[in-house]
Amino acid sequence: GIQVEQSPPDLILQEGANSTLRCNFSDSVNNLQWFHQNPWGQLINLFYIPSGTKQNGRLSATTVATERYSLLYISSSQTTDSGVYFCDSDNYGQNFVFGPGTRLSVLP
Amino acid sequence: DARVTQTPRHKVTEMGQEVTMRCQPILGHNTVFWYRQTMMQGLELLAYFRNRAPLDDSGMPKDRFSAEMPDATLATLKIQPSEPRDSAVYFCASGLSPNSPLHFGNGTRLTVT
Repeated sequence: GIQVEQSPPDLILQEGANSTLRCNFSDSVNNLQWFHQNPWGQLINLFYIPSGTKQNGRLSATTVATERYSLLYISSSQTTDSGVYFCDSDNYGQNFVFGPGTRLSVLP
Repeated sequence: DARVTQTPRHKVTEMGQEVTMRCQPILGHNTVFWYRQTMMQGLELLAYFRNRAPLDDSGMPKDRFSAEMPDATLATLKIQPSEPRDSAVYFCASGLSPNSPLHFGNGTRLTVT
């Protein structure tokens, strides 16, 4: 099956800093999503981004499917951005795989 | 605001008991997933339905777990008999189609003693 890696595993930032999270996948995928799991355990969909670039406020994401990676950018981080960020992929309705996550802590 | 609803939010049970978790997907969504989250294994896919038909349940221990969609508004996940290693948070998620954003419920935290 497809292997998904995320880096870095842990990240600590001061409020206001920018960061880039990366998701690498071992094989072709046609779906790629980014999720934020907040400290209360809720999983929130941030982006559905099988290819290209999308932006939503301070967050943006880019997926380069041909090179098998996706990036999540967080600008001007806030304490409410803390939590775990997951990428999730599948290949035409098969091989659904979540990455291990990046744990982000934003300090005031 | 449309959301995926899961019940119960918490369940504590003794080993050997039957556990049933329920999920109401967002109205009109035709894809439904069950995931299990543990510290050791992360998020694992248990079952995947499209138009109420099970398409993938390869991640589910077949001897004790079963997943069904009796109708388009209800998905169930049953464990019988439950074991302590089943302790985890179980999430349900739904999507409008296989190629659309996935929306998660708040999960059921299961503790088997």
